[in-house]
Amino acid sequence: DIQMTQSPSTLSAYVGDRVTITCRASQSIINWVAWYQQKPGKAPRLLIYKASSLQSGVPSRFSGSGSGTEFTLTISSLQPDDFATYYCQQYISLWTFGQGTRVEI
Amino acid sequence: QVQLVQSGAEVKKPGASVKVSCKASGYTFTGYYLHWVRQAPGQGLEWMGRINPKSGGTDYAEQFQDRVTLTRDTSINTAYMELSRLRSDDTAVYYCAREIDTISNDAFDIWGQGTMVTVSS
Repeated sequence: DIQMTQSPSTLSAYVGDRVTITCRASQSIINWVAWYQQKPGKAPRLLIYKASSLQSGVPSRFSGSGSGTEFTLTISSLQPDDFATYYCQQYISLWTFGQGTRVEI
Repeated sequence: QVQLVQSGAEVKKPGASVKVSCKASGYTFTGYYLHWVRQAPGQGLEWMGRINPKSGGTDYAEQFQDRVTLTRDTSINTAYMELSRLRSDDTAVYYCAREIDTISNDAFDIWGQGTMVTVSS
């Protein structure tokens, strides 16, 4: 099974900060990675797929990069609505999620 | 609009089974795979399996292989997830989610609202 390891587990930031979350895969997943945002009591929301493709309707301050085993999700200027938990997901071999990164004020 | 609407919360005793439904609307039901993902309280997301609504073909995560059954009814655009031999650690919110594409594995663009399943004696 492919394992996905996110860091950090928790991130404290201010509105306006540039924020980066990292996800490492246990083996190469080329670019078959997605990023989701989840708020308490809500279903996850797709932000990025295929490592860097922005899902329709997602603000352009979200971006993704990486290939092989290391991937990043960047929020260029953190907004109040962005405080949430973020998950990476690989889908080259079945589907596996990272353990999540909570972004807090 | 495109949406997945799930059945309501369930409370079950250990050893029982639960069946959760996921009704699709706003798109061609047989055109997209549907997945099931669960989230225990305060925990992360765990993929359980997927079904091809057109063929009925399924894939399961190894840890659920012997306890989960995914089915569908194309006449009412509804997919089902049945989990048997319930344990207390099966207490979780269960989500259905649509896979973006069917050509190759892909991410999940539409999610149901989630169904809380509580297992308690």
